[in-house]
Amino acid sequence: QSVLTQPPSASGTPGQRVTIYCSGSDSNIARKTVNWYQQVPGSAPKLVIYNNNQRPSGVPDRFSGSKSGTSASLAISGLQSEDEADYYCAAWDDILNRYVFGSATKVTVL
Amino acid sequence: DVRLVESGGGLVQPGGSLRLSCTASGFTFSGYWMNWVRQAPGKGLEWVANINRDGNEKTFVDSVKGRFTMSRDNAKNSLYLQMNSLRAEDTALYYCVRDLSGPFCYWGQGILVTVSS
Repeated sequence: QSVLTQPPSASGTPGQRVTIYCSGSDSNIARKTVNWYQQVPGSAPKLVIYNNNQRPSGVPDRFSGSKSGTSASLAISGLQSEDEADYYCAAWDDILNRYVFGSATKVTVL
Repeated sequence: DVRLVESGGGLVQPGGSLRLSCTASGFTFSGYWMNWVRQAPGKGLEWVANINRDGNEKTFVDSVKGRFTMSRDNAKNSLYLQMNSLRAEDTALYYCVRDLSGPFCYWGQGILVTVSS
């Protein structure tokens, strides 16, 4: 069972906005920065958001992140077919003293 | 171009050992914390360990403490994961990752480790 909880799936049509939520606790999301990774099937993961809301170079501005209290979210606006992937939230956990990943949300473009 | 190439995986019997290597190129290897992250077949991501730039600070997930060790050779641009007393639950694709939570995050393509009799 993952320390960070995500819904197993989310979907939208091309052009829509999809938001994925990640629920944690005081020992991780509340006091640490949240990162989001995209994993296209058959490929290595790729960081799409770091430090709660920052995009690495090359990541489209359609991806945005936010955090409030013990929860975080990743929004994908203007959904495109290439956004179909598994998305993982992650953060350091001060009690477990390890980096923890969420349970993954599979985004489907209808 | 940045490259991280993992090697050393394969099939091993329970209780056996393997040494994974990750060879870096295209960037200043000594300037980054490095990580190992694994993914069991059909499952999610699990962080395994990290090491600081000098190699003198390491942290491991509880499930591998006492069995896995991690090291780096900055002169050879290489990262290592020595895995001993392997168990079936260690079966996974192991990724070498640069700057896991920062703007310069980069993942290798992964190497498969299968623990089975």
